Amino acid sequence: DAKTTQPPSMDCAEGRAANLPCNHSTISGNEYVYWYRQIHSQGPQYIIHGLKNNETNEMASLIITEDRKSSTLILPHATLRDTAVYYCIVRVALGNEKLTFGTGTRLTIIP
Amino acid sequence: DTAVSQTPKYLVTQMGNDKSIKCEQNLGHDTMYWYKQDSKKFLKIMFSYNNKELIINETVPNRFSPKSPDKAHLNLHINSLELGDSAVYFCASSQAGQTQYFGPGTRLLVL
Repeated sequence: DAKTTQPPSMDCAEGRAANLPCNHSTISGNEYVYWYRQIHSQGPQYIIHGLKNNETNEMASLIITEDRKSSTLILPHATLRDTAVYYCIVRVALGNEKLTFGTGTRLTIIP
Repeated sequence: DTAVSQTPKYLVTQMGNDKSIKCEQNLGHDTMYWYKQDSKKFLKIMFSYNNKELIINETVPNRFSPKSPDKAHLNLHINSLELGDSAVYFCASSQAGQTQYFGPGTRLLVL
């Protein structure tokens, strides 16, 4: 699996957009970018994923650069409940590929 | 309705005992996984089953034996528990090649 690099921690003011970057410079053409988050040792929660186009759902937006070497997860209006560790993972969407978690970004939402 | 459920939520036991953790999913998925999150919060795959067949078996001591009685269940039996087995164990499920959804975790403490 391609490796990802994320900043270890970030702060964001409540109500503002939280932009979480991820570098995946060795990503292969058939690998997707997935984002999960883990709130205080709960089970990891799926947020969003994409291949090369930008994606948006009710939780977040995913912006993938044209060369696919990096991406940004955007939480448009961060709330205190968004405080969590956010994981960026690249994964081949074939068969039963495991998720390889890195150390993630600890996002703290400041009141 | 809980999509992926685990029992028990907490498990405290003595070294040397044998214990089981159960996982059930009601999503109709064909693939189930066990992940381990250690005290340093690293989350790693242990096993994966597809249609009751073992697909992924990472470097896990053979004291750990997964068992899948049917597609909706994947149980984890651990023999001769050791102090180092203390961790949070997460079950996950997916349709092959698609998004994985995680359970709430089982917190195991070996004394």
